[in-house]
Amino acid sequence: KQEVTQIPAALSVPEGENLVLNCSFTDSAIYNLQWFRQDPGKGLTSLLLIQSSQREQTSGRLNASLDKSSGRSTLYIAASQPGDSATYLCAALPQGGSEKLVFGKGTKLTVNP
Amino acid sequence: GAVVSQHPSRVICKSGTSVKIECRSLDFQATTMFWYRQFPKKSLMLMATSNEGSKATYEQGVEKDKFLINHASLTLSTLTVTSAHPEDSSFYICSARSPMTGKAEAFFGQGTRLTVV
Repeated sequence: KQEVTQIPAALSVPEGENLVLNCSFTDSAIYNLQWFRQDPGKGLTSLLLIQSSQREQTSGRLNASLDKSSGRSTLYIAASQPGDSATYLCAALPQGGSEKLVFGKGTKLTVNP
Repeated sequence: GAVVSQHPSRVICKSGTSVKIECRSLDFQATTMFWYRQFPKKSLMLMATSNEGSKATYEQGVEKDKFLINHASLTLSTLTVTSAHPEDSSFYICSARSPMTGKAEAFFGQGTRLTVV
């Protein structure tokens, strides 16, 4: 059974700092891995999706990497801003026909001005 | 990216009444949609998988008679909370996977905050 873990659960950084959020998964048989952002009281916004065959994806100040062999993904945020404050969730889509995303519990990021 | 729209964003209802939440895929067809529940400061809990033209598949422990799901078209799924009670108060979010890019990317609605008084 796939399990997804995110560390740390919470992170507070000063504005301008580069930071890394970690996501690990127990079963490397994944179809893709997706990073989301959730603001308080809101739905999830898709940030980046990495296909199983890919190593990384970039969008603006965000870069997500995937290492299936070690069961890890990282989300790198460059030059953080207060507007980046949110909860970040990673989710793995298993192979094998199941269409259920497996979520981590998220990392709550606070960027202080 | 693809757009999933959820309505209403907030609803307050009296105990014992029923509430319907709509989830629409605006620019793609979704044969499958997913309904989640989120408790305060917790991650998402999958409630059920909504299948167009057939019965929904419920996760273990989710009462199908309590949470009625209808997926009557390729762009609309509804979740009806029947005979709502205060313990049903929660944040409900729907999701659909867009086939447009071939990447099985999941998109989420804005969520519905249900308060049962």
